Amino acid sequence: EAEVAQSPRYKITEKSQAVAFWCDPISGHATLYWYRQILGQGPELLVQFQDESVVDDSQLPKDRFSAERLKGVDSTLKIQPAELGDSAMYLCASSSDLWEYEQYFGPGTRLTVT
Amino acid sequence: GDSVTQMEGPVTLSEEAFLTINCTYTATGYPSLFWYVQYPGEGLQLLLKATKADDKGSNKGFEATYRKETTSFHLEKDSVQVSDSAVYFCALIPGGFQKLVFGTGTRLLVSP
Repeated sequence: EAEVAQSPRYKITEKSQAVAFWCDPISGHATLYWYRQILGQGPELLVQFQDESVVDDSQLPKDRFSAERLKGVDSTLKIQPAELGDSAMYLCASSSDLWEYEQYFGPGTRLTVT
Repeated sequence: GDSVTQMEGPVTLSEEAFLTINCTYTATGYPSLFWYVQYPGEGLQLLLKATKADDKGSNKGFEATYRKETTSFHLEKDSVQVSDSAVYFCALIPGGFQKLVFGTGTRLLVSP
């Protein structure tokens, strides 16, 4: 069964350092999502792509976060510089297109900022 | 704005007990409603969905009915198993592009 791949699974970094996460969606899925899940809370959408274009990044802290999906396939989410409050699970999801209800989630990257 | 409210956990049950996890929502228009489940160490999986009022979503013995009059989508199961232990998230898509809005999650612990 096709899955969404994410790496790394775990990342520990010091504050003020740069960190990057990678996501490879299910093959053929045009829509890709990055969510942040703070411990004890539900996931919150950071950015949504349709192919290589950003559809929604209204909740992305653009002073320190950036996301790209250059060829419309895999995607990278970067934080620079990391802050203590960025400690969370970062989830990637994909769906076949913008109007498809079901989103398929990867296992996530757990980030700890020290 | 659009939001989802879930009962706080953990919910602790014995195997074969009846399960209810409450979920209510606030949304403009007519949202689609979902339950996602997150097993330990795994990503979120769609458990069931309902896209219009009075629809009943069901999967793996779990059910939830879209109640527009009470803005609710409570999750139920007649007889839980130890393997159902997980975190359950209620969520909605308010409309337009498919932006999921999640509740805070409810942890279910089932003991033998």
